Amino acid sequence: EIMMTQSPATLSVSPGERATLSCRTSQSLSRNLAWYQQKPGQAPRLLIYGASTRATGIPARFSGSGSGTEFTLTISSLQSEDFAVYYCQQYDNWPRTFGQGTKVEI
Amino acid sequence: QVQLQQSGPGLVKPSQTLSLICAISGDSVSSKSAAWNWIRQSPSRGLEWLGRTFYRSKWSKEYAPSVKSRLTINPDTANNQFSLQLDSVVPEDTAVYFCVSGNYWFDYWGQGTLVIVSS
Repeated sequence: EIMMTQSPATLSVSPGERATLSCRTSQSLSRNLAWYQQKPGQAPRLLIYGASTRATGIPARFSGSGSGTEFTLTISSLQSEDFAVYYCQQYDNWPRTFGQGTKVEI
Repeated sequence: QVQLQQSGPGLVKPSQTLSLICAISGDSVSSKSAAWNWIRQSPSRGLEWLGRTFYRSKWSKEYAPSVKSRLTINPDTANNQFSLQLDSVVPEDTAVYFCVSGNYWFDYWGQGTLVIVSS
């Protein structure tokens, strides 16, 4: 099973600032990685797949990068609606696994 | 636009079977390009993929090793839905359960069902 390690656990930022979230994997994934956003009481929402491709309707301020074992999600200018928990997920191997999440807070 | 609507009890007694249903609209459970998954989320285990079913030339099912011996996912073509049955539940199975579409990443999610395992 591929282990996913996200850092930091919590990221404190101000609206308008840039946020950089990290996801490291225990095995190389090529670019088979997705990112999700989850708000309290809601299901996760797909943001990014293929490490860097934005899902339908996702604003351009969200960008993904990386390959192999190190990946990054960047939110270029935080809006109030972006404060949430973010998860990475690998789909290179079975079973599919998720990171433990990074909470982005004010 | 795919929509997934979950139904099922929120309280299950230890040793009993947890059963949930996910009704699909906007796609077909028999689609040859889709896969239908169950994922759960708890504070202790985080997001955990449990298993999936999909149809190509025949029906296939795949399960996570952690639940493989207890889990059954079945398609229901007559009602365009799929189900989860988790046998012999224990308190550690307490979680929010989501039905989700996706072959690789997960693009459409149900609303989630909080299932508590308690006597």
